[in-house]
Amino acid sequence: KAGVTQTPRYLIKTRGQQVTLSCSPISGHRSVSWYQQTPGQGLQFLFEYFSETQRNKGNFPGRFSGRQFSNSRSEMNVSTLELGDSALYLCASSLQRISMNTEAFFGQGTRLTVV
Amino acid sequence: DAKTTQPTSMDCAEGRAANLPCNHSTISGNEYVYWYRQIHSQGPQYIIHGLKNNETNEMASLIITEDRKSSTLILPHATLRDTAVYYCIVRANTDKLIFGTGTRLQVFP
Repeated sequence: KAGVTQTPRYLIKTRGQQVTLSCSPISGHRSVSWYQQTPGQGLQFLFEYFSETQRNKGNFPGRFSGRQFSNSRSEMNVSTLELGDSALYLCASSLQRISMNTEAFFGQGTRLTVV
Repeated sequence: DAKTTQPTSMDCAEGRAANLPCNHSTISGNEYVYWYRQIHSQGPQYIIHGLKNNETNEMASLIITEDRKSSTLILPHATLRDTAVYYCIVRANTDKLIFGTGTRLQVFP
């Protein structure tokens, strides 16, 4: 059974550009959550998608957005990149919503560097 | 904000049991305790979770106190590959997994 797949693994972008990251959840999983990890702030929740709808959102500016497709694959987009957006972006999938008694499985992450 | 408190770091000799404590004194009756670990440069890995009874799986055991205000993750025979940051998480009512700073476990030969 394939795990959570995130692409690309590494990305370098310039300030002001935008970026789109992709996450393919484990087959059959319907919930996808996104996290940002930086040395200073640790792992921070961005948002959760379930059945193509955003169900929960963390405290990030509107430059961070996402969507989920009918096959449960998810993308997140960051517009007008800032140096502080440099981070490891992690995607987690779970069978049902993470609010239920179910574990989440994480991908390897996309390491974004903004220069 | 994370609802858990963990020691910043711990050491453990290879082959010995690693006991990682976690305080969650404000836990609500319907909140689960989850443990994840993150090995350097990888995504977090699920270990175990529980509500009030002790739990055991192939990776670890979870001991939750009767008042549920604290728990201990036990790795029965630590190996060098268990060196990682271990996160204790109490799942909030808003459904998010909120990670704290975790415990950095160093297993030494």
